[in-house]
Amino acid sequence: AQSVAQPEDQVNVAEGNPLTVKCTYSVSGNPYLFWYVQYPNRGLQFLLKYITGDNLVKGSYGFEAEFNKSQTSFHLKKPSALVSDSALYFCAVRDGSSGNTGKLIFGQGTTLQVKP
Amino acid sequence: ETGVTQSPTHLIKTRGQQVTLRCSSQSGHNTVSWYQQALGQGPQFIFQYYREEENGRGNFPPRFSGLQFPNYSSELNVNALELDDSALYLCASSLVGLGTEAFFGQGTRLTVV
Repeated sequence: AQSVAQPEDQVNVAEGNPLTVKCTYSVSGNPYLFWYVQYPNRGLQFLLKYITGDNLVKGSYGFEAEFNKSQTSFHLKKPSALVSDSALYFCAVRDGSSGNTGKLIFGQGTTLQVKP
Repeated sequence: ETGVTQSPTHLIKTRGQQVTLRCSSQSGHNTVSWYQQALGQGPQFIFQYYREEENGRGNFPPRFSGLQFPNYSSELNVNALELDDSALYLCASSLVGLGTEAFFGQGTRLTVV
């Protein structure tokens, strides 16, 4: 079955420190992986995606993510956290074997709290 | 901002009623998807429309239905509302293709009482 797991409900970091938000996935075919951020009372904003190629992908606002096929992981990272990064983060996957449907499978979300 | 707009932003309905939510896709996007996000949960895929036809559906009953119009705007209709339908409903537009990112609207908060 297709699934996404975000093992941490909340991640707390101090401003200026590096941050990591974890994500693992399970799909039948090739994974198409995405990270989104959600601010209170707002929709989801696209951060970055992995389709193929370089395992380290760079996205918006200084975020990057590392694809690891053997560990079926796609962790979100940022070298230096900002207080304004505090938000709810979602990892999502599309299964390459599912045809042309655009169905995104989301994790439960991880709340990132960056303290001054 | 993504260019995807949804209306209304908030809505309160009574159990058993019907509701229609609307979405205007980002210019140039030919695919629209709808998601339900319950409180504290990740979004759940309801269905997707491409060229005005449904081409993918999640685990939602038939009382959830939709339309896509020639200008790529879309509607989500829910009949016989239940209390558990209370959620944030998100519309997302994209180009067709597995590797294309979806751009989300701000959502409609539906409360069923």
